[in-house]
Amino acid sequence: ETGVTQTPRHLVMGMTNKKSLKCEQHLGHNAMYWYKQSAKKPLELMFVYSLEERVENNSVPSRFSPECPNSSHLFLHLHTLQPEDSALYLCASSQDPGQGRSPLHFGNGTRLTVT
Amino acid sequence: AQKVTQAQTEISVVEKEDVTLDCVYETRDTTYYLFWYKQPPSGELVFLIRRNSFDEQNEISGRYSWNFQKSTSSFNFTITASQVVDSAVYFCALSEALNRDDKIIFGKGTRLHILP
Repeated sequence: ETGVTQTPRHLVMGMTNKKSLKCEQHLGHNAMYWYKQSAKKPLELMFVYSLEERVENNSVPSRFSPECPNSSHLFLHLHTLQPEDSALYLCASSQDPGQGRSPLHFGNGTRLTVT
Repeated sequence: AQKVTQAQTEISVVEKEDVTLDCVYETRDTTYYLFWYKQPPSGELVFLIRRNSFDEQNEISGRYSWNFQKSTSSFNFTITASQVVDSAVYFCALSEALNRDDKIIFGKGTRLHILP
């Protein structure tokens, strides 16, 4: 069983749809993250949750709405997306937030296509 | 401000050749951490190594080795006797120890092709 599991692996949605991405970590970590990976761009940090509190919102449009109900689960709710939001969305977790030293453990990502 | 530069966008080498992936970073902090990650075609980024700013010893792990040089702000990664399974995108990343928002900055990545 992988440490960080993301579902679905692939998602195609229209611009008027509402969908959610799910992430679950089985590592007992205290922080969870959403990253966006677009072609030819660096990995972009979207949200950080540390001990279930949001500590970073990296100027992400409101059409992306995160939710962290507990330290093991993280959601990304999507609504009225744009075609430029098509990307690979990666979830990650780390053990010791706030000190910079914890490596991230990533899931396989959700490949999102907005039509 | 933090910044990570991986100048090599794409590299192709023939199997069994050695290859070095370059990483140059910028930070104003004296305490920071550097990372390398591998992203195979499956999509998942796999953690390879972490190095803190006070430890300049080079590290070797099997066919992988890392050369950390603070004088040139570089943290280069060498694969010796490359294999086809090494084909992937490799990311260098930087995290400052005092950052409270757990921000890890990634480079744009180097896509490595190992040709049989």
